[in-house]
Amino acid sequence: GENVEQHPSTLSVQEGDSAVIKCTYSDSASNYFPWYKQELGKRPQLIIDIRSNVGEKKDQRIAVTLNKTAKHFSLHITETQPEDSAVYFCAASKRGSQGNLIFGKGTKLSVKP
Amino acid sequence: DAGVIQSPRHEVTEMGQEVTLRCKPISGHDYLFWYRQTMMRGLELLIYFNNNVPIDDSGMPEDRFSAKMPNASFSTLKIQPSEPRDSAVYFCASSYTGDGQPQHFGDGTRLSIL
Repeated sequence: GENVEQHPSTLSVQEGDSAVIKCTYSDSASNYFPWYKQELGKRPQLIIDIRSNVGEKKDQRIAVTLNKTAKHFSLHITETQPEDSAVYFCAASKRGSQGNLIFGKGTKLSVKP
Repeated sequence: DAGVIQSPRHEVTEMGQEVTLRCKPISGHDYLFWYRQTMMRGLELLIYFNNNVPIDDSGMPEDRFSAKMPNASFSTLKIQPSEPRDSAVYFCASSYTGDGQPQHFGDGTRLSIL
């Protein structure tokens, strides 16, 4: 079955710097890759997603890149702000998996003012 | 849209007691997922339903756990009898049918078994 690995497990950056979180997946049939942000004590919230027919997607300060050949995808946050501090989860699913997402273990991002 | 609604938000009970967690998915969503989140294990999928039918319950840890979805707008996750190691945050999520559909999470139930 699918396996998603996420790195790093913790990341600390200075406000204004960029942050990059990387995930690898094992099943080449995976075709949908969402990213979730979970603030302390809150629910995971979808922040951006990408499908396998595109290599990059941007939404303001957030971007996701996908390399299907290498089977990895990354989340890029530019000009980080303290409110970006949270746990970020990547996930993957494949066609026919009936919506079942396989989640990474999460990255705790701390943005220091 | 009210989003996925879970109740209760917090539950504290003594071991051995029955615990029932409730979830109302987003209207029109035909997939419903139950997750458990702990520091040690992260986010674990317990069971999911499609059109009220359980599709995969391989994540349910023990026979003490059971889940039902009697109709499209309501699901329960029951633990009987509860044990201290069941303490966790339990999330419900829902999504539309089809590939590449995002799951939308409820606010979760924080369960503490004493």
